[in-house]
Amino acid sequence: GAVVSQHPSRVICKSGTSVKIECRSLDFQATTMFWYRQFPKKSLMLMATSNEGSKATYEQGVEKDKFLINHASLTLSTLTVTSAHPEDSSFYICSAYHRTSGDEQFFGPGTRLTVL
Amino acid sequence: DAKTTQPPSMDCAEGRAANLPCNHSTISGNEYVYWYRQIHSQGPQYIIHGLKNNETNEMASLIITEDRKSSTLILPHATLRDTAVYYCIVGSGGSNYKLTFGKGTLLTVNP
Repeated sequence: GAVVSQHPSRVICKSGTSVKIECRSLDFQATTMFWYRQFPKKSLMLMATSNEGSKATYEQGVEKDKFLINHASLTLSTLTVTSAHPEDSSFYICSAYHRTSGDEQFFGPGTRLTVL
Repeated sequence: DAKTTQPPSMDCAEGRAANLPCNHSTISGNEYVYWYRQIHSQGPQYIIHGLKNNETNEMASLIITEDRKSSTLILPHATLRDTAVYYCIVGSGGSNYKLTFGKGTLLTVNP
């Protein structure tokens, strides 16, 4: 299957700082990328859907000004957590999709964010 | 809300078949059944999906009932590395389709 990478794999930051997480599709062009968040012992929750070259569509309850998503190319999407607080500590996972890949979404390995 | 119901946990002996059930009684005619799994602290991994016919690939088999209200994922020879949370998801597929993850089934494969 296709490979999706995330960087960094884990990050620890101080409260009030901003953190950028990158999601890259390494061997295919992703027309759509999705960002999920997963709290401990909970299921994945979709945060937003990102199409290349257009604004992201956020799920209800997700603050677009706090979680900035940029999908500037067909192989890269970034999620920036602005003014992070301890309650933003979570496992952030991206997935990538291309219409020629059938109906499969390819997931990245996730980024563990800890806000002190 | 997730449109599927799965048992919270199951156990299976190594080498045996693991049969994971899923109820999706409100599935629409154009919706697929997808199965993903998540090994601890990793991103989910696609397993298989189907519309109404049974499907098989190198990882698993998917059996969908004739009325499409339930399905079973079969791992024919479970190994310890198959220990994971298995998610059954219903969706329409295509571009911009969203995966709504429920709580899934924690499958524990025992030696």
